[in-house]
Amino acid sequence: EAEVAQSPRYKITEKSQAVAFWCDPISGHATLYWYRQILGQGPELLVQFQDESVVDDSQLPKDRFSAERLKGVDSTLKIQPAELGDSAMYLCASSPDLTGGGYEQYFGPGTRLTVT
Amino acid sequence: KQEVTQIPAALSVPEGENLVLNCSFTDSAIYNLQWFRQDPGKGLTSLLLIQSSQREQTSGRLNASLDKSSGRSTLYIAASQPGDSATYLCAVRKGAQKLVFGQGTRLTINP
Repeated sequence: EAEVAQSPRYKITEKSQAVAFWCDPISGHATLYWYRQILGQGPELLVQFQDESVVDDSQLPKDRFSAERLKGVDSTLKIQPAELGDSAMYLCASSPDLTGGGYEQYFGPGTRLTVT
Repeated sequence: KQEVTQIPAALSVPEGENLVLNCSFTDSAIYNLQWFRQDPGKGLTSLLLIQSSQREQTSGRLNASLDKSSGRSTLYIAASQPGDSATYLCAVRKGAQKLVFGQGTRLTINP
């Protein structure tokens, strides 16, 4: 069964350092999402891609976060510089739909980030 | 702005009981609603997806219902087992927009 892949699974970094996460969606899925989940809360969307284009990045802290999906396949989320408040689970999801919302979103295992 | 609320925040029941988890949302103009399971420190596993035109979906011991007009969904788990212990999240979607999640219900099934 196809799955969303993410790496690394765990990352510990010091405050002010740069960190990057990678996601490979299910093959053929046009839409890719990055969510952040703080412990004890539900995930919140950071950025949504349709192929290589950003559809929604309204909740992405653009002064320190960046995301790209250059060839419309895999994606990288970067934080520079990392802050203590960035400690969270970063989840990637993908969905096959192009225009509508009728399809499920499939989630990867996540990257647990700890900033010290 | 869509808001999703899940009650209760935590629930502990003995093995074998039937139980209901609740989810409510403020904007009834949704495209679909999805229930997820999350084990500690893990990603999300999709359990059931209900389209806005549907009233319920079933998968094994799980049954999810949707009342769009009242902004409510329930997840019914029959004959609960210790392996059902996890956090259950509901999320609603409007068109091509993002999923909006509740904070989850942490379920513990006691042997």
